[in-house]
Amino acid sequence: GAVVSQHPSRVICKSGTSVKIECRSLDFQATTMFWYRQFPKQSLMLMATSNEGSKATYEQGVEKDKFLINHASLTLSTLTVTSAHPEDSSFYICSARDPGTGDTGELFFGEGSRLTVL
Amino acid sequence: GQNIDQPTEMTATEGAIVQINCTYQTSGFNGLFWYQQHAGEAPTFLSYNVLDGLEEKGRFSSFLSRSKGYSYLLLKELQMKDSASYLCAVMDSNYQLIWGAGTKLIIKP
Repeated sequence: GAVVSQHPSRVICKSGTSVKIECRSLDFQATTMFWYRQFPKQSLMLMATSNEGSKATYEQGVEKDKFLINHASLTLSTLTVTSAHPEDSSFYICSARDPGTGDTGELFFGEGSRLTVL
Repeated sequence: GQNIDQPTEMTATEGAIVQINCTYQTSGFNGLFWYQQHAGEAPTFLSYNVLDGLEEKGRFSSFLSRSKGYSYLLLKELQMKDSASYLCAVMDSNYQLIWGAGTKLIIKP
């Protein structure tokens, strides 16, 4: 089946620094990838939709200048948390839909990245 | 507004059967998904329903009634490894996924 790889799986950083998380589709080309955030004991919250070659579409309440998304190729999307603060500590998950399965195909998720900001 | 409701937590016994319900109100409907998520891990796909009826896949089955805005996930022959959160998600008319908060399933020996 399709595979989505996310890196790093865990990152600890100091407040005020920036952290980049990578999401790769390993065996399919993903024109669209999704970035989610999940706080403990809560549901997945869609942050933004990443579109290859164009600007990401951010959900209401998500600061686009703080969460920079770049989808420069059909297999790679990156999320950069700029000037991270402790409240940004969360589990960040990316996903992509294999276009070969159509618009209603299943989403494949990366392994997730746990960010801890000290 | 759009809303997905599912129980917060359920407890069941190893070897038994459990049914996790999900009701939804969304702007349009393009399918309902069930995902399993173990603590600290990303969700994994379980099932997809777009037509009314029951879809069976091994020990797991998923049912959909579009007229009632209702789905359930049925887990048979429960195993300890089934202890996880089960997420219901509906794809709306814009092909965006609306997520429920998840049901934490606790399996007891």
